[in-house]
Amino acid sequence: GQNIDQPTEMTATEGAIVQINCTYQTSGFNGLFWYQQHAGEAPTFLSYNVLDGLEEKGRFSSFLSRSKGYSYLLLKELQMKDSASYLCAVGDSNYQLIWGAGTKLIIKP
Amino acid sequence: GAVVSQHPSWVICKSGTSVKIECRSLDFQATTMFWYRQFPKQSLMLMATSNEGSKATYEQGVEKDKFLINHASLTLSTLTVTSAHPEDSSFYICSAKAEGWPREAFFGQGTRLTVV
Repeated sequence: GQNIDQPTEMTATEGAIVQINCTYQTSGFNGLFWYQQHAGEAPTFLSYNVLDGLEEKGRFSSFLSRSKGYSYLLLKELQMKDSASYLCAVGDSNYQLIWGAGTKLIIKP
Repeated sequence: GAVVSQHPSWVICKSGTSVKIECRSLDFQATTMFWYRQFPKQSLMLMATSNEGSKATYEQGVEKDKFLINHASLTLSTLTVTSAHPEDSSFYICSAKAEGWPREAFFGQGTRLTVV
């Protein structure tokens, strides 16, 4: 079967760094997406990785290891507005998105 | 990023009635649209995938006669919840994707449906 695993909830301090992990087992792989979703709102696109390595975009970076079926989203200089759920999604062999359950990130002052 | 408009943002309806939710891609042609349902504190659950001009593909466990999906044009898809019941109350989100890969899916604002 297809499976995406993420921690359910994480807590971090304002100004700190947090890493949200995602492991996946899918039938085929056509890239991994990270989305941010604030409570009561629709998800917004953060990043896309299809090759191994780190992609940096401002305070957010995303890493991928295809051999390990593993990705992480790294958030630096955390701000209170970063409190949200972070969703990991993988494109399978049919280019369908398989979604993780999301990680709720709580930022404390 | 591209804009996807979903309407209405929220709706309250009586049990047994039908509700139509619209999803429009405003500045690109959406060859594929996805409809999701999200219950509180849970992740997105894909209900169906629709390609313009063809019948929607429903996920296992989703009643196609209850959740009618129409994708008549490259910019509009509709989801109609027929004979709604309180257990259908949820947050419904559409996303639209242009042809080609990788093209990230852009999400509508979501529709909060409450059936009383």
